[in-house]
Amino acid sequence: QQQVKQSPQSLIVQKGGISIINCAYENTAFDYFPWYQQFPGKGPALLIAIRPDVSEKKEGRFTISFNKSAKQFSLHIMDSQPGDSATYFCAARNTDKLIFGTGTRLQVFP
Amino acid sequence: ETGVTQSPTHLIKTRGQQVTLRCSSQSGHNTVSWYQQALGQGPQFIFQYYREEENGRGNFPPRFSGLQFPNYSSELNVNALELDDSALYLCASSVDRTVYEQYFGPGTRLTVT
Repeated sequence: QQQVKQSPQSLIVQKGGISIINCAYENTAFDYFPWYQQFPGKGPALLIAIRPDVSEKKEGRFTISFNKSAKQFSLHIMDSQPGDSATYFCAARNTDKLIFGTGTRLQVFP
Repeated sequence: ETGVTQSPTHLIKTRGQQVTLRCSSQSGHNTVSWYQQALGQGPQFIFQYYREEENGRGNFPPRFSGLQFPNYSSELNVNALELDDSALYLCASSVDRTVYEQYFGPGTRLTVT
């Protein structure tokens, strides 16, 4: 119930392509869904976030799609760049804490 | 505006020892949350401090304890270190305890031998 399941574990995309990372949850008490980007040796950095009352949020090349009935949400990175190569974590908020997925390692090749 | 800072960057301890990790929250933030990130895993919530009081705790034993000071900086203390405590310890601050827009520090890499 407290888990957030993330897939795929790793993703290889060519420069200019679309990267898609998916997350699923069970607990309907989750009410805020952020995505974090983490580079090696660094802490996670907040990328974009969504609340369950909207189905999509876009910020630059990054878009979150949210399906409340399916309890799924995904991150789309358009026009992926080598600088996007990092580990991405989805998360969900429950009672003042974030529950994180297991991460997706994205590699974008030129 | 200063971001979240943590010290030390790296630390090596022996099993059974005690360790203290420190965190300075971002300016204007009164809430600090601590997370443990094992290699290849997502961060796991340890506990949160809001205005110097513990406000929620994850599934970690009592040998993990913390403090928050009047300036909202925070410490994480771990007693009786075990090999499995080896991880990246992350501190995150937010404007309030709702953790919307939570910002992480660079972490402290703890190795227990």
